[in-house]
Amino acid sequence: AQSVSQHNHHVILSEAASLELGCNYSYGGTVNLFWYVQYPGQHLQLLLKYFSGDPLVKGIKGFEAEFIKSKFSFNLRKPSVQWSDTAEYFCAVSGYSSASKIIFGSGTRLSIRP
Amino acid sequence: NAGVTQTPKFRILKIGQSMTLQCTQDMNHNYMYWYRQDPGMGLKLIYYSVGAGITDKGEVPNGYNVSRSTTEDFPLRLELAAPSQTSVYFCASIDGGGRDNEQFFGPGTRLTVL
Repeated sequence: AQSVSQHNHHVILSEAASLELGCNYSYGGTVNLFWYVQYPGQHLQLLLKYFSGDPLVKGIKGFEAEFIKSKFSFNLRKPSVQWSDTAEYFCAVSGYSSASKIIFGSGTRLSIRP
Repeated sequence: NAGVTQTPKFRILKIGQSMTLQCTQDMNHNYMYWYRQDPGMGLKLIYYSVGAGITDKGEVPNGYNVSRSTTEDFPLRLELAAPSQTSVYFCASIDGGGRDNEQFFGPGTRLTVL
């Protein structure tokens, strides 16, 4: 079955701490991978995406993610978080074409202590 | 471009009432989607459309209906509102012309059924 697992439901960090949010997926075939961010009261926005090529993907606001095919993982990282990173983060996976359905994880809520 | 717009932003319904959630995109995207987001959960796909005149069910279609008479509009209809439909509803779209299936989201409609 197609699925995305985000193991951390709520992460609390202090400013300047390093961040890693886990994402594992189950999806047959070649995949596209995404991280979306949802700031409080706002809609989902794309943080970064992986289609092919370099498995280390850099996104906006200093975020990056690494695709490890052998582990079916696409973890999100940031070396030093800021209070403004407080948000909910969703990992998503789809097949290799625009017609593929996109499966979202249940999200990780990130709270940053000032 | 306004992107994906949704109306209304908020709505309170009584059990058994009906309403239509509007979604419009001005990017000439072929693919459009309706999701619901419940607290602490990810996004669940309700219905989607791959072009004008074509719609299909997602994971949780019961209690909803959609139509796609134009490329721009994809309204979601609730016929007999139930408390279980209390949620935040997001509309999204994809170009669908290639492999890039990054979704663009609307701002959401927060619906409460009492």
